[in-house]
Amino acid sequence: QKEVEQNSGPLSVPEGAIASLNCTYSDRGSQSFFWYRQYSGKSPELIMFIYSNGDKEDGRFTAQLNKASQYVSLLIRDSQPSDSATYLCAVNVLGAGNMLTFGGGTRLMVKP
Amino acid sequence: DAGITQSPRHKVTETGTPVTLRCHQTENHRYMYWYRQDPGHGLRLIHYSYGVKDTDKGEVSDGYSVSRSKTEDFLLTLESATSSQTSVYFCAISEVEETQYFGPGTRLLVL
Repeated sequence: QKEVEQNSGPLSVPEGAIASLNCTYSDRGSQSFFWYRQYSGKSPELIMFIYSNGDKEDGRFTAQLNKASQYVSLLIRDSQPSDSATYLCAVNVLGAGNMLTFGGGTRLMVKP
Repeated sequence: DAGITQSPRHKVTETGTPVTLRCHQTENHRYMYWYRQDPGHGLRLIHYSYGVKDTDKGEVSDGYSVSRSKTEDFLLTLESATSSQTSVYFCAISEVEETQYFGPGTRLLVL
């Protein structure tokens, strides 16, 4: 079982809708959770991180963490065609130092 | 790209030849990482460094070696390249906290 799981997609949403991206992880000792966006042919760029249960908002993005259920999600409000990209979930596990384990990513397509 | 450069950006080489990829940072971050990214496998850690001359293996280290003689440079060497090492290689850096920032990547094709 992979340590960090994401649906590969593509997830298709119309422009202006809310896109919901989900990630589950297997290690209950996971401490920190990160969302990266990767455009085709480009490098991953950090969107946001979350450490505590609950919601964290940054502009149109909201990260949600539920450690009891071992999932983290990313909501993108008012989705734009420019949000079309692959979204990577990454998890830092207790005892793993600064190392992150990445999920395979979910491809998001926002249709005008 | 958070003051991170990678060189070369593209390389084509033949099986059995040595290849060295360079990652250079201007952020003075302590930690540096090398990942490879392949379809169906996502980002996988090859090696990482937690200081000058301090390195350790990641998930997919076989066939790769690294060196870090200066804070700003982290080299990844494929001693004898194989076709299975055709991939996109990303360097990343971080400070004491875990947030990692990625370089632009190197596309390597081994024929």
